Amino acid sequence: DTAVSQTPKYLVTQMGNDKSIKCEQNLGHDTMYWYKQDSKKFLKIMFSYNNKELIINETVPNRFSPKSPDKAHLNLHINSLELGDSAVYFCASSQDIIAGLNEQYFGPGTRLTVT
Amino acid sequence: AQSVTQPDIHITVSEGASLELRCNYSYGATPYLFWYVQSPGQGLQLLLKYFSGDTLVQGIKGFEAEFKRSQSSFNLRKPSVHWSDAAEYFCAVVAAGFQKLVFGTGTRLLVSP
Repeated sequence: DTAVSQTPKYLVTQMGNDKSIKCEQNLGHDTMYWYKQDSKKFLKIMFSYNNKELIINETVPNRFSPKSPDKAHLNLHINSLELGDSAVYFCASSQDIIAGLNEQYFGPGTRLTVT
Repeated sequence: AQSVTQPDIHITVSEGASLELRCNYSYGATPYLFWYVQSPGQGLQLLLKYFSGDTLVQGIKGFEAEFKRSQSSFNLRKPSVHWSDAAEYFCAVVAAGFQKLVFGTGTRLLVSP
């Protein structure tokens, strides 16, 4: 059983398009995250949600809109894709919002390529 | 602001040799520190974490890390590296009221036969 799953695994699209990445966790966790990993492997948090409520929005452009229909799902919608959005996007979850105390479980990542 | 520095972009170690990956942090109070590993094409997996108490922390896969406050360091060690340890290793510190992790830039470990 996959704990944190993401779809799709690969996404190739053209500039200006709108795309979504889906994430689901079956761990019963309350908190979910989106991270962006750039070409140099630098990993940075984008958003966190706790029980469907937005907790962290790390100065991400408005073109990125996370949506959490329930606490097991956190989707990422990206409008008007730009070349600089090319990266690997990781979803993660943890028991609760106290990141310092709880292990974060990561999904396998979605490699987004914008041409 | 909290930050983490991993000074080595990549390290090559012979199989069976010992390993030490460096991590330095910047944090005003007692830090909560983590080491994660990312295997090729995979997500990150927690190796170990330090909150308080014993400064030598044991983790999974035979890894350990030592917290040294005087040096602001949290170096990861393994006495004997296996080929399957080849991966990207990330050090992280908790920040923002314990609500997020700040990651270092990672160290890629290559294991030679």
